[in-house]
This record gives sequence, C-alpha cells and structure tokens, in this order.
Amino acid sequence: NAGVTQTPKFRVLKTGQSMTLLCAQDMNHEYMYWYRQDPGMGLRLIHYSVGEGTTAKGEVPDGYNVSRLKKQNFLLGLESAAPSQTSVYFCASSYHPQNQPQHFGDGTRLSIL
Amino acid sequence: GENVEQHPSTLSVQEGDSAVIKCTYSDSASNYFPWYKQELGKGPQLIIDIRSNVGEKKDQRIAVTLNKTAKHFSLHITETQPEDSAVYFCAALNSLFGNEKLTFGTGTRLTIIP
Repeated sequence: NAGVTQTPKFRVLKTGQSMTLLCAQDMNHEYMYWYRQDPGMGLRLIHYSVGEGTTAKGEVPDGYNVSRLKKQNFLLGLESAAPSQTSVYFCASSYHPQNQPQHFGDGTRLSIL
Repeated sequence: GENVEQHPSTLSVQEGDSAVIKCTYSDSASNYFPWYKQELGKGPQLIIDIRSNVGEKKDQRIAVTLNKTAKHFSLHITETQPEDSAVYFCAALNSLFGNEKLTFGTGTRLTIIP
C-alpha cells in the first residue's frame, strides 16, 4: 500500500518556466490537498479538492492552478514560476477531515532560480 | 478565519524528561485538534488527535489536553527518547458548515539530548 505518492521529489526551475507536480493516492480518499512549507511558517494550504472534478482555493492560491480529473490524482501547476515559489510542497488526502486524519506524501522540494 | 499559534518554536529536552508544546486557536467553534510529527525528509504523520467533547486523551507516552474556555491545547510527551526528535505541528478544524480545511501552527522543533 503506497499511500500518497508525490512526483518528482526534487526539481530546479528557472524563473518563468512552468511545471506540474503530481500527487497520487491509493486509499480511495475523497479529499485531497496541496500545501507549501516554508521555514517558520508551518504548512499553508494552496488549493484543495473535495472530490473528483472539484477544486477550491486555500490560503495562498495565487500563482498556482490545480486539477482533479481522476479521484486518485491531484495535480498542482505553476504556469510561470517565481523565486517566491521556492518551497517544499506537500500533498495530502483524507476521508472527511472531521473524522479521519490527513495522510501526507513525502514532499517535493522545488527551487526557482 | 482560524488562526493557530504554537509555542515554543524550538525545544531541547534531556532524554527521559517530559516535553510540552502549546497551541492557541482563535475560532471558538473549532472542534477537532490533531497533532502531527514530521521527521527529516518526510511528510507529517498524525500522532494523536482530540475532539472538542473531550478534555484529555492519552496514547502511551503521548497525551493531549484541551481547554475550550481558554482556547488552547497542549501536547505532552513523557519519558522522551531520541526517536522523539522531530518537528511537531498542531492544527485546528471547524467542521461546521462543511469546512474541510485544517489550519496548522508554525511548528516546534523538538530535540532530545542523549
């Protein structure tokens, strides 16, 4: 049972480049989340999804887009990368968050030069 | 929206002693409070959680207490061991009105000194 898998684990981009981060879960969870983690700021929610075909904005959505075309996958896109988007990105999934914990992937470390 | 403050940001404890991490929250309607442990290079993992209808919960060496009146909750780790060294995050959720988002604290880096 793989749980939550994030691809890639590391990436270096130049300012202005685009890329997509992939999150896949095999637990049949309805809810999926993208967070960014920066020193001293904890985990901040970027976007989330409450089911296949749905997305919603979190706390820091600017500069990111997401898609949930399949229940098991949640994609995070950066259309034009900026140095301020250098961070560690975590994907998580859960059944309803009130009753079940969020399961996290091991993160993608992204550097924007 | 919800705001969660976590203290201290760093904590060093002698092996075998106890560690306490404290969090306060702003939304009096929040009703679910999980704690996550993050080891180096890994994603956070749930270690214990508590709901607003309970004042205390214990799981072996880990306990969480909740004071709804004061809007704060704490993580207690007793008989600390080297493997307890990690970053710990508290979080809060108001599940009313279909809210599905956790708000996290800024984390506490716990170091156990052998």
